[in-house]
Amino acid sequence: DVKVTQSSRYLVKRTGEKVFLECVQDMDHENMFWYRQDPGLGLRLIYFSYDVKMKEKGDIPEGYSVSREKKERFSLILESASTNQTSMYLCASQGMGLYNEQFFGPGTRLTVL
Amino acid sequence: GQNIDQPTEMTATEGAIVQINCTYQTSGFNGLFWYQQHAGEAPTFLSYNVLDGLEEKGRFSSFLSRSKGYSYLLLKELQMKDSASYLCAVRSTPSGGSYIPTFGRGTSLIVHP
Repeated sequence: DVKVTQSSRYLVKRTGEKVFLECVQDMDHENMFWYRQDPGLGLRLIYFSYDVKMKEKGDIPEGYSVSREKKERFSLILESASTNQTSMYLCASQGMGLYNEQFFGPGTRLTVL
Repeated sequence: GQNIDQPTEMTATEGAIVQINCTYQTSGFNGLFWYQQHAGEAPTFLSYNVLDGLEEKGRFSSFLSRSKGYSYLLLKELQMKDSASYLCAVRSTPSGGSYIPTFGRGTSLIVHP
């Protein structure tokens, strides 16, 4: 059974804190993604990575950074959390190729106070 | 860029048929996905269309017309458990060798007895 796991289901942080969200996949997928999901706005891509140590900005990268030191792990970093970063964060992985769908993790509900 | 449009909410009766539409504008179209997302859970893959026509998978079917920039997801014999959000995602010509989908805002389907 394929799996994408995220380090926390719920997280509460204070404004200005540095926040790490971890994602691990066991499918040996090249591509990994970080999205945030907000009511009425849908899934918005923050960053993606198509290989170890490679990263590309998505549609809303401001205030975020990422790290991919190993193929199976993709981390999202909020350098200085702000209240407008309160959201559901979803990680996904995808194999290379035309027909490959994305597999999503269970999500992390982050609240920044 | 891409523009993806789907209705915000639909309601239907148990046992009925419902059609969820998705229209899109993109350059370099390279496939369309449908995902199902139950409240509080991760999206899961339903279907993929890259050529015109209908793809059937049990109670669910997905249709694509590339010339019209149009797809629909058809759900037959609706069950209460089909109450969920349905996400349309369009993939376009790869960036850096990777196929990155863009998601619509999702259609929330409510099935009532």
